[in-house]
Amino acid sequence: DTAVSQTPKYLVTQMGNDKSIKCEQNLGHDTMYWYKQDSKKFLKIMFSYNNKELIINETVPNRFSPKSPDKAHLNLHINSLELGDSAVYFCASSPNRGGTDTQYFGPGTRLTVL
Amino acid sequence: TQLLEQSPQFLSIQEGENLTVYCNSSSVFSSLQWYRQEPGEGPVLLVTVVTGGEVKKLKRLTFQFGDARKDSSLHITAAQPGDTGLYLCAGPYSSASKIIFGSGTRLSIRP
Repeated sequence: DTAVSQTPKYLVTQMGNDKSIKCEQNLGHDTMYWYKQDSKKFLKIMFSYNNKELIINETVPNRFSPKSPDKAHLNLHINSLELGDSAVYFCASSPNRGGTDTQYFGPGTRLTVL
Repeated sequence: TQLLEQSPQFLSIQEGENLTVYCNSSSVFSSLQWYRQEPGEGPVLLVTVVTGGEVKKLKRLTFQFGDARKDSSLHITAAQPGDTGLYLCAGPYSSASKIIFGSGTRLSIRP
C-alpha cells in the first residue's frame, strides 16, 4: 500500500490555466506538507498543515491555495499558471509538527506550464 | 543564500571507490537528517543525527555530525551503482516546525 500518494503524476498545461494536485496519506500522521523542487533540485517548503490547521505558509504567490479537508488529505490548487510554476511538487507527511520528524514523501507531480 | 550548503554539487565515480559528501552551515542545528532521492521518486530518509560528534553507520554508509552541530558528512565505502541518486541533508529551522533542505549532491556511480 502506498503511504503518501499524489495525483496526477504528470501535469502539462497552458499558461493562465487553473489546476489542482491531490495528496493522500494513510500513515495516520498529523502533519502534511507541500514542497516545490525546481530544475536545480532545490527542495523548498511551501505550506504545512497540522490537523487541518495551516501552520506554515512560506512566501508563496497567493495564486497557490492549499486545502486540507481532513488530516489525511492535502490538496494544492494553482490559479493563473505561469511558466515559472513549472517544477516537481512533492507532498509529504510527518507524525507530528516538529521539524525533527521524518518526512515521508509522495512520488511527486511534475508540472509543466507551456 | 542557502542555509545548508552541500558539496560537491555533482560527483561521478567508478564502482568500488570511496567518497565523502558534505553538508555545511554557519548555524547550529539541533539535528540533521540525510535523505536520498532517486529519479522520479520522492526523498527517503536514510538517517538522523542528533548529538554533536555522533557517528552512525548504515551498511556501507557512515554519517557524522560535527562537534559544533554545524556540519555533517556522509562517507560511502565501495560505492555501488545502486548508490546513485540525489543526497539531501536537512534540518529543523526557525520555529522548528519546519525542515529546510540543503542544496543537494548528485551522485553517479559508474559500473
